[in-house]
Amino acid sequence: EAGVTQFPSHSVIEKGQTVTLRCDPISGHDNLYWYRRVMGKEIKFLLHFVKESKQDESGMPNNRFLAERTGGTYSTLKVQPAELEDSGVYFCASSQELALNEQFFGPGTRLTVL
Amino acid sequence: DQQVKQNSPSLSVQEGRISILNCDYTNSMFDYFLWYKKYPAEGPTFLISISSIKDKNEDGRFTVFLNKSAKHLSLHIVPSQPGDSAVYFCAARSTGSARQLTFGSGTQLTVLP
Repeated sequence: EAGVTQFPSHSVIEKGQTVTLRCDPISGHDNLYWYRRVMGKEIKFLLHFVKESKQDESGMPNNRFLAERTGGTYSTLKVQPAELEDSGVYFCASSQELALNEQFFGPGTRLTVL
Repeated sequence: DQQVKQNSPSLSVQEGRISILNCDYTNSMFDYFLWYKKYPAEGPTFLISISSIKDKNEDGRFTVFLNKSAKHLSLHIVPSQPGDSAVYFCAARSTGSARQLTFGSGTQLTVLP
């Protein structure tokens, strides 16, 4: 069974540019989460989808971040315009409805904003 | 303010000995705790978990202990192996939350051969 996949693995952009990160969850997993780890600190929650609906977006830093999950399959996270403090590793995770506690993580996208 | 704290950024242990990783939390609403292991350039991998109704959970070489009164949990690895060298994250989930996990900042474990 394929795990959670993320694309790209690395992205280097300049301040003010736009970047879109993609996450493909494990097939059949209705719950999809985005997290971010900045500068080797803790992994912080950004938002949670159940199928195509945003269940909780309380962790989104500001309105420069936009997440979508059209059709309830893969998800995208767009940062527009990117700022220096957006640099970090963005993780996506997914879980089944009946196994809510364990979340399976993707390898992450390392975003560097110059 | 961090609700889950891992105060030791790094830990070195000799192969075959016990590794003890510690985690403290402040939110009394947390009811489920997890440990994840992370290798470089990979995502966190689930290792072991414990519900707040228990004080111990064991899985092979890994045991997690929960002390609710002290708001403290620990992960014991015995015997430690070089392949256990990784960053270990403590995470917690609270009752009624939208299932988001709150993570600590991680502890880098190095097992020396």
